[in-house]
Amino acid sequence: DGGITQSPKYLFRKEGQNVTLSCEQNLNHDAMYWYRQDPGQGLRLIYYSQIVNDFQKGDIAEGYSVSREKKESFPLTVTSAQKNPTAFYLCASSIDETGTLNTEAFFGQGTRLTVV
Amino acid sequence: RKEVEQDPGPFNVPEGATVAFNCTYSNSASQSFFWYRQDCRKEPKLLMSVYSSGNEDGRFTAQLNRASQYISLLIRDSKLSDSATYLCVVNALYNFNKFYFGSGTKLNVKP
Repeated sequence: DGGITQSPKYLFRKEGQNVTLSCEQNLNHDAMYWYRQDPGQGLRLIYYSQIVNDFQKGDIAEGYSVSREKKESFPLTVTSAQKNPTAFYLCASSIDETGTLNTEAFFGQGTRLTVV
Repeated sequence: RKEVEQDPGPFNVPEGATVAFNCTYSNSASQSFFWYRQDCRKEPKLLMSVYSSGNEDGRFTAQLNRASQYISLLIRDSKLSDSATYLCVVNALYNFNKFYFGSGTKLNVKP
């Protein structure tokens, strides 16, 4: 079955550590996204990528980094520079065809990161 | 100004009630619109796309009003299982195919 897989589901980080969240998709989608969701709030865009070896900062990129070396994979690293990293992290993908309407975003199950 | 705005609710309704949510978007160049459902501590899942002519899927009806830049979702005959947060989503094809999410409207359906 096609889909997006995020791992791990739960992650605990000590202050000062970098951690990497995995996101893999087998939907053959060009576009991939990382969002952060805080309790009772909407999704905020961290980074997005439309094509392999290219990615763009979203609205809250500070303290995060990404790579897109393969079409299927878009890992997110939460660095020690991110001062408040405890949140629910969601990875998504979509077809990226300019001019194509109603191409929805598909989500992974999310990673819940907690700083201890 | 936020790209997408929604009333956070909660909307508390009895089973069988009809409930409607609205959402407004700020950029008139927005082209694709969706309603997603998110259960507590889960990922959002597509409920329905919103077409210009309006569309219906069972008990759910979505409408788009481009002139006023709002999207609506109507749920008829509410079920307990409809309790969730409903996210309004706008796709900005004009801006690198980014998706903008509202903060969600929480619905509680009571017995």
